[in-house]
Amino acid sequence: DAKTTQPTSMDCAEGRAANLPCNHSTISGNEYVYWYRQIHSQGPQYIIHGLKNNETNEMASLIITEDRKSSTLILPHATLRDTAVYYCIVKGFGNEKLTFGTGTRLTIIP
Amino acid sequence: DAGVIQSPRHEVTEMGQEVTLRCKPISGHNSLFWYRQTMMRGLELLIYFNNNVPIDDSGMPEDRFSAKMPNASFSTLKIQPSEPRDSAVYFCASSLDPYEQYFGPGTRLTVT
Repeated sequence: DAKTTQPTSMDCAEGRAANLPCNHSTISGNEYVYWYRQIHSQGPQYIIHGLKNNETNEMASLIITEDRKSSTLILPHATLRDTAVYYCIVKGFGNEKLTFGTGTRLTIIP
Repeated sequence: DAGVIQSPRHEVTEMGQEVTLRCKPISGHNSLFWYRQTMMRGLELLIYFNNNVPIDDSGMPEDRFSAKMPNASFSTLKIQPSEPRDSAVYFCASSLDPYEQYFGPGTRLTVT
């Protein structure tokens, strides 16, 4: 699976949009971009995934660049409960294994 | 559904003792995963099962670790004998292949 690069940490004001970037320049054509998050002392939680089109669900939006070498997870109206470590993971469809990197520690500021 | 259920939530044991961690996956899911999380190594996949069959155990650190899935609704991860370096949070996750994984709350293991 392709390697990903994320900033170590980010802050965002409560109520504002949180934009979390991820670089995956070695992604191959059949690999998906997945996002999970881990709130302190809890198990990781699935957020969203996509292949090449932008995706949106009740939690977030995922914007993937046209060349698919990077993506951005957007939390449209961040709340204090969104404070967590966010993991960007690239994996092939049908490949069950998730490889977690170090992620981005997002802190929502009141 | 109650989600993935893990027991115990906390376990404190002495070095050399046997430890058994338990997991009940979400009903209907056909894949089950065991992960370990430490500050030093982050979140690592230990082993995963598909339709109760172990598919990849390359992450199992050594022979002291073993995992079983006797049926679709139950799995165990056993450490025998336990060592202080096994102290970590152990997560179980399940999925309906090939979709997203759902994680349990974890078992915090402390080996003294």
